[in-house]
Amino acid sequence: QLQLQESGPGLVKPSETLSLTCTVSGGSISSSNYYWGWIRQPPGKGLEWIGSIYYSGSTYYNPSLKSRVTISVDTSRNQFSLKLSSVTAADTAVYYCASHRIVGASQFFDYWGQGTLVTVSS
Amino acid sequence: DIQMTQSPSSLSASVGDRVTITCRASQSISSYLNWYQQKPGKAPKLLIYTASTLQSGVPSRFSGSGSETDFTLTISSLQPEDFATYYCQQSYSTLTFGQGTRLEIK
Repeated sequence: QLQLQESGPGLVKPSETLSLTCTVSGGSISSSNYYWGWIRQPPGKGLEWIGSIYYSGSTYYNPSLKSRVTISVDTSRNQFSLKLSSVTAADTAVYYCASHRIVGASQFFDYWGQGTLVTVSS
Repeated sequence: DIQMTQSPSSLSASVGDRVTITCRASQSISSYLNWYQQKPGKAPKLLIYTASTLQSGVPSRFSGSGSETDFTLTISSLQPEDFATYYCQQSYSTLTFGQGTRLEIK
């Protein structure tokens, strides 16, 4: 069974870049069955998909965040990472990494990390 | 983006009740609709994908139905562990989630 774990700073200053890493265990990030995704949830609010990456490096992003987001993968470490630039208080959220499974044209997140709270504040 | 609207936003029910949560898409999404359960302080858990396929390990009291724009999640007999927030998510285009339905104990 896949396990995912987010890591990274819990506090980021406004205008700086948020950086998080997700470590995958219990399976290979190079699996052809999965993309690997980031989802966030502001305190007390709903879920927002940020973007996803395939082990080959192919990415796709939420258009609303695309200009500020970079997702990368390190297959040797079984990790993928998120960078979100020019953050503001509106980017304060719990950030989740998840396995993003594609079955035909259906896409869903079947394994999730526990989430990490990132606060944007000076 | 396709907007997903859940109703109700909150719901009070008792153990043993049959509960239905609705998710409506702003345009047709075929059957590309998934359901998640989230408990406080925890990550969401996938319950149902492609409108009606039960994820492995999820109790059979959960079921999903619908197509095009209207979808439902039904819990046939509420158990104490089912009190949580439920989200729908579409994958027809840019992935989006509904705003959530909070299911509370009456």
